[in-house]
Amino acid sequence: GQSLEQPSEVTAVEGAIVQINCTYQTSGFYGLSWYQQHDGGAPTFLSYNALDGLEETGRFSSFLSRSDSYGYLLLQELQMKDSASYFCAVYLGNYGQNFVFGPGTRLSVLP
Amino acid sequence: DADVTQTPRNRITKTGKRIMLECSQTKGHDRMYWYRQDPGLGLRLIYYSFDVKDINKGEISDGYSVSRQAQAKFSLSLESAIPNQTALYFCATSAVAGGPYNEQFFGPGTRLTVL
Repeated sequence: GQSLEQPSEVTAVEGAIVQINCTYQTSGFYGLSWYQQHDGGAPTFLSYNALDGLEETGRFSSFLSRSDSYGYLLLQELQMKDSASYFCAVYLGNYGQNFVFGPGTRLSVLP
Repeated sequence: DADVTQTPRNRITKTGKRIMLECSQTKGHDRMYWYRQDPGLGLRLIYYSFDVKDINKGEISDGYSVSRQAQAKFSLSLESAIPNQTALYFCATSAVAGGPYNEQFFGPGTRLTVL
């Protein structure tokens, strides 16, 4: 089956840089997405990597390496408001499982 | 106004009861999804629909059914609720899956408790 792995928790201090990793075991996919979810809230889209390499959006960057079955989300200049859960997700195509999400990483940003 | 709305936001019910969760969207998207979220398991896809006549099972469809009443409305039903269906349920929409950004837009969620 398809599965993604993420660290369950990460802690960092305000202003620091943190990397949240996502490793996957899947036989082919179209792209890797990242979502942010604050406590009590809905997931919101952060980024999508269709190709290998780095995608940068402001303080957030996302990376994908298909040869290594690996991706990560990089958060720079951490702020308290970045404390949330972060999910990676693969898009498998139009049918079948379609989207598969990882278990999520809870990021705590300390003052 | 929110683009994706879900009703009810919270529901407590008893084992064996029939429950319907409703989702409406004003984004004009063709694709709609139902997920459940359990602690430590992320989001798991229950059903998805590419248009009114196209409904597909996701990873965990057993015990659930759906209805796509219109482009803007997608309902999830639990015909006979059981306690392990206690979870947070999210509806989501997307314009085109696999497009340049592959972005899904989520509703606020429905917290369902089955006693």
